[in-house]
Amino acid sequence: GENVEQHPSTLSVQEGDSAVIKCTYSDSASNYFPWYKQELGKGPQLIIDIRSNVGEKKDQRIAVTLNKTAKHFSLHITETQPEDSAVYFCAASLPSYSGGGADGLTFGKGTHLIIQP
Amino acid sequence: GAVVSQHPSRVICKSGTSVKIECRSLDFQATTMFWYRQFPKQSLMLMATSNEGSKATYEQGVEKDKFLINHASLTLSTLTVTSAHPEDSSFYICSARVLDRLDGYTFGSGTRLTVV
Repeated sequence: GENVEQHPSTLSVQEGDSAVIKCTYSDSASNYFPWYKQELGKGPQLIIDIRSNVGEKKDQRIAVTLNKTAKHFSLHITETQPEDSAVYFCAASLPSYSGGGADGLTFGKGTHLIIQP
Repeated sequence: GAVVSQHPSRVICKSGTSVKIECRSLDFQATTMFWYRQFPKQSLMLMATSNEGSKATYEQGVEKDKFLINHASLTLSTLTVTSAHPEDSSFYICSARVLDRLDGYTFGSGTRLTVV
């Protein structure tokens, strides 16, 4: 099955600086790579996602890059703010097929992002 | 759109009792629902996949007789933890794949289960 590795486990950056979190995946058939932000006691919230036919996607201060050949993808947060402090998870999933056979997400172990004021 | 409502948010139960967790898709039909478990400071681990109208598929190491999943309608999936023990205390989260948002997943808000 799919295996997702995520680094670093903890990341502390000064407010206003950029933060980068990296993930690798093992199954070359995976084609969907979302990133989630999870605050304490809450479910994960999707912040950005990318599909395998795209190399980069940006949404305001957040961007994700995907290197299919190397099987790794990264989350970039620029101009970090205190409210960005949370645990971030990367994930990967295989394609869904009509008629069933949908697969769940395989998550990385998470990165605790700490924004220092 | 694509909201999954999960209840209860917190539950405390005594060892040996059963607890039911519900997840409802509010504005879409969820033919497939995924159930995850998350221990403190750890990642989400997929427990099982429920498909409407058929038996759930469990991941290796997850006891199907202990974690009963029912997906009787396109908008409701339930997870029942039977004969709960303290080691079952965890954060349980459901998720649905939204077919009209290609490959997108939406998550419930989670249930914190404490078995005393």
